[in-house]
Amino acid sequence: QKEVEQNSGPLSVPEGAIASLNCTYSDRGSQSFFWYRQYSGKSPELIMSIYSNGDKEDGRFTAQLNKASQYVSLLIRDSQPSDSATYLCAVRESGGSNYKLTFGKGTLLTVNP
Amino acid sequence: GAGVSQSPSNKVTEKGKDVELRCDPISGHTALYWYRQSLGQGLEFLIYFQGNSAPDKSGLPSDRFSAERTGGSVSTLTIQRTQQEDSAVYLCASSLVSAGELFFGEGSRLTVL
Repeated sequence: QKEVEQNSGPLSVPEGAIASLNCTYSDRGSQSFFWYRQYSGKSPELIMSIYSNGDKEDGRFTAQLNKASQYVSLLIRDSQPSDSATYLCAVRESGGSNYKLTFGKGTLLTVNP
Repeated sequence: GAGVSQSPSNKVTEKGKDVELRCDPISGHTALYWYRQSLGQGLEFLIYFQGNSAPDKSGLPSDRFSAERTGGSVSTLTIQRTQQEDSAVYLCASSLVSAGELFFGEGSRLTVL
């Protein structure tokens, strides 16, 4: 059973601070990792993907990957109230089921004005 | 349409009744997924369709659940003899290729009384 673990939160940060979201996964062969944002009552929306060890930056978002530690993180700089949402970590399975994404339960982030 | 379309957006039914949920993927997308999201839970994989290949039904929780995809486009998820534990948001996603980015619909919220 492939597992993806996230701290459920809630994580509360003040506006302008850095929010740090973490994720660990069990499938050592996984090569593709994703962060989705889900506003309350809405569908998940892809915000970042990462495939190689290290950091990947896109605007205020930075994804970090460490395959040896089976760890993925998402940093949100200069957090805004509009960033308040649930953030889902997703890992693409390795092997013959590589079409399948396994999701964590999500971390609820609240950014306080 | 521009995105993945799902209907109905909300469905309230009585225990024991059958329900059908519909998904219209993005035009040209060959891969189609159904996921289920229960309160406080992550996205649970249900079924995957890719072109004319046999679907991966490994995530269907019981034989009361079935799905089909006609003409490689629209998909219907059917739940027979609904139970209260079936209450959840059923999300459909499509992808241009088998291991590509998933685009989600807004979901069908099912409530079984």
